Amino acid sequence: LAKTTQPISMDSYEGQEVNITCSHNNIATNDYITWYQQFPSQGPRFIIQGYKTKVTNEVASLFIPADRKSSTLSLPRVSLSDTAVYYCLVVPAFQKLVFGTGTRLLVSP
Amino acid sequence: AAGVIQSPRHLIKEKRETATLKCYPIPRHDTVYWYQQGPGQDPQFLISFYEKMQSDKGSIPDRFSAQQFSDYHSELNMSSLELGDSALYFCASSLPRDAGTPSYNEQFFGPGTRLTVL
Repeated sequence: LAKTTQPISMDSYEGQEVNITCSHNNIATNDYITWYQQFPSQGPRFIIQGYKTKVTNEVASLFIPADRKSSTLSLPRVSLSDTAVYYCLVVPAFQKLVFGTGTRLLVSP
Repeated sequence: AAGVIQSPRHLIKEKRETATLKCYPIPRHDTVYWYQQGPGQDPQFLISFYEKMQSDKGSIPDRFSAQQFSDYHSELNMSSLELGDSALYFCASSLPRDAGTPSYNEQFFGPGTRLTVL
């Protein structure tokens, strides 16, 4: 399974856009890039998934360059409630999730 | 909307005791995954079931076993508990593979069972 590397922590303020970049140099052809959010003592929650180019949903955007060796999760106009750990995962479809060290995002007033 | 149900939510056991954790997936979901998250750690995959058959196995100790029943609920059985087994145990479920969803890796997690071994 491809290994991912993402920043350990990030700080932001309410209303700002936050971009979290994840590196996955060894991504395989059948891997999908998936992001999860986790609040303390809660189960992870799916945010977004993509294979290539750009994907957007109601909560985030995911940018994937042509070589797929990295991806960027974009959270528009964050609020205090977006303070959480964000995990970048690279896994084939319908497989177990392999969590690496996520990014702890702290949003301040 | 219905969510994944886990019981019990909290469990306190002594060393060498046994524990059984239960998971009720979202209706129509046919795959169940179990994850363990120790204090300050990231979630680690334990085992999964697809259509009541074990589909994958991760770093699950031999002291642990699990199964999925005909109604798709799953149970994680843990024996000879050790202090290091203290953790949050999450169950997740996912839609059938032919459901047509574009999110192939969207798993729906339950609230978890917090196991404390004393």
